Amino acid sequence: AQRVTQPEKLLSVFKGAPVELKCNYSYSGSPELFWYVQYSRQRLQLLLRHISRESIKGFTADLNKGETSFHLKKPFAQEEDSAMYYCALYGNNRLAFGKGNQVVVIP
Amino acid sequence: DVKVTQSSRYLVKRTGEKVFLECVQDMDHENMFWYRQDPGLGLRLIYFSYDVKMKEKGDIPEGYSVSREKKERFSLILESASTNQTSMYLCASSGGANVLTFGAGSRLTVL
Repeated sequence: AQRVTQPEKLLSVFKGAPVELKCNYSYSGSPELFWYVQYSRQRLQLLLRHISRESIKGFTADLNKGETSFHLKKPFAQEEDSAMYYCALYGNNRLAFGKGNQVVVIP
Repeated sequence: DVKVTQSSRYLVKRTGEKVFLECVQDMDHENMFWYRQDPGLGLRLIYFSYDVKMKEKGDIPEGYSVSREKKERFSLILESASTNQTSMYLCASSGGANVLTFGAGSRLTVL
């Protein structure tokens, strides 16, 4: 069975500071990793996926199979980045989520 | 744009009542999912479905059942609601790209 671990529950950063959300996974097959985001009063939505290798809203994430990690990074946090972030792994025909990180960007 | 519509945003039920949560998607997706979302626990998969009349248990199926009689509709049923089923319930669907599109959620309170 797959497992996704997000160690920090709450992350507070000042505007303009870097943000890094950690995600580690365990899965016996070839993983497909995602980051989903939920802004206040909005639906959960896809932020990015590892196979796209693209930057979305300034965020990037690199899959490191050796460390079984898929950390989310942004060099300069903005107030609009305040949200709940979930790392997720697709395997065995299902998407398994971590427990999420609440990010608060302080003006 | 894929739309996933959950019929009820807020429900309040009493312990022992039967509860139906309805979900409809309009993009002909094969796969549909029900999760519950709880603070500190993230999203946990209850049931999912590959196709009409097909269903698979997720990680926490106890106390729940599902129905998928039509491709676009996936219903979650609580046969006898209990207080520990108070939660936010999220429905999602996906086509072939393993990307889930979520509904707005149904917040259920069981008294």
